[in-house]
Amino acid sequence: QVQLVQSGAEVKKPGASVKVSCKASGYTFTSYYMHWVRQAPGQGLEWMGIINPSGGSTSYAQKFQGRVTMTRDTSTSTVYMELSSLRSEDTAVYYCARGVVERFDPWGQGTLVTVSS
Amino acid sequence: QSVLTQPPSVSGAPGQRVTISCTGSSSNIGAGYDVHWYQQLPGTAPKLLIYGNSNRPSGVPDRFSGSKSGTSASLAITGLQAEDEADYYCQSYDSSLSGYYVFGTGTKVTVL
Repeated sequence: QVQLVQSGAEVKKPGASVKVSCKASGYTFTSYYMHWVRQAPGQGLEWMGIINPSGGSTSYAQKFQGRVTMTRDTSTSTVYMELSSLRSEDTAVYYCARGVVERFDPWGQGTLVTVSS
Repeated sequence: QSVLTQPPSVSGAPGQRVTISCTGSSSNIGAGYDVHWYQQLPGTAPKLLIYGNSNRPSGVPDRFSGSKSGTSASLAITGLQAEDEADYYCQSYDSSLSGYYVFGTGTKVTVL
């Protein structure tokens, strides 16, 4: 079955960077785009960007331009999301989600990133 | 900032019918882009509930249904059950420069 497994929780200091991984299995990795979505505590869902695992091209939400980098490793069917210059407002659960046409299915289990001094 | 507006909460007794609205604009739902719905149970990742405005993925009970008209969409839950208590989000594509994929503000469904 299609499965996305993300890396574990992280605690970072303000100004640092964090890199979250998402390992895909159960389908052809290069055939589907991958999205990253975050959810701050008690808040809604926020789309961050998308990567094409086939060629590596990316597109980021304007809000995160210049701070986020999405990459992939086709040899391990893994995508990565790196967010830099972290601030307290970046404390959130970060999800990867496979893109099927314009929808998200399935989702990874989520990775909690806590930014605290 | 969410581009699609949903009511913060709806509630109903077991067996009742509840509906959740999702209001967008001419750059997303009104432009003809499909609406998808997700269910997020407490402490878990979102799960696709309705895709392409009104289609249910395999395994989703037919108590859940979706519709779309103009710049809005709706999710209906008939025969409400205790396990339906969750957060629900609509999602679409937006052609404006601020972001490509947009979510609704989210609705908490409470089973009384």
